[in-house]
Amino acid sequence: QKEVEQDPGPLSVPEGAIVSLNCTYSNSAFQYFMWYRQYSRKGPELLMYTYSSGNKEDGRFTAQVDKSSKYISLFIRDSQPSDSATYLCATTIKAAGNKLTFGGGTRVLVKP
Amino acid sequence: DTAVSQTPKYLVTQMGNDKSIKCEQNLGHDTMYWYKQDSKKFLKIMFSYNNKELIINETVPNRFSPKSPDKAHLNLHINSLELGDSAVYFCASSQTDTEAFFGQGTRLTVV
Repeated sequence: QKEVEQDPGPLSVPEGAIVSLNCTYSNSAFQYFMWYRQYSRKGPELLMYTYSSGNKEDGRFTAQVDKSSKYISLFIRDSQPSDSATYLCATTIKAAGNKLTFGGGTRVLVKP
Repeated sequence: DTAVSQTPKYLVTQMGNDKSIKCEQNLGHDTMYWYKQDSKKFLKIMFSYNNKELIINETVPNRFSPKSPDKAHLNLHINSLELGDSAVYFCASSQTDTEAFFGQGTRLTVV
């Protein structure tokens, strides 16, 4: 079993819809939680990071962490075709040299 | 002005060959990484260097050898390439505990 599980999708939504992405993790020692966006044939780019349970908002993006359930989510409001990409959740333990442990990524397609 | 740059972007080579991938970052970060992304998009750490010192070495065959001549550069040399080495290799760097900046990747195809 992978340490971070993520539904691979693809997830297809109409433009303007809310995109909901989820990951579960098994190691309760994970302290930081991130969402990366990866366009085709590009490197991952950081979207959001948080270290505490609760919500964090940045524009159209909201990251949610529930440490008691070991569950992390990303919501994208008013989705645009330019949001079509693969979204990767990642976690890390501060003492582990910032080694990122990634989920397998969810491919999202926003249709105009 | 690319923050983390890798060369080459594409690499096609025959089994048994030896190849190198170079990485440079101009962000002034202390830590650099190599990640491997397989055909299913799963991204996994291979190595991490902090100020030229190896700090993470995951279960990677000995055929893979990283080298960091200075803290702005981290190269990856692969000996005796195998079909299973085909993947996209990403270099990354970070200063803080969380935000890692990734390069554009090197797509390695072993034939």
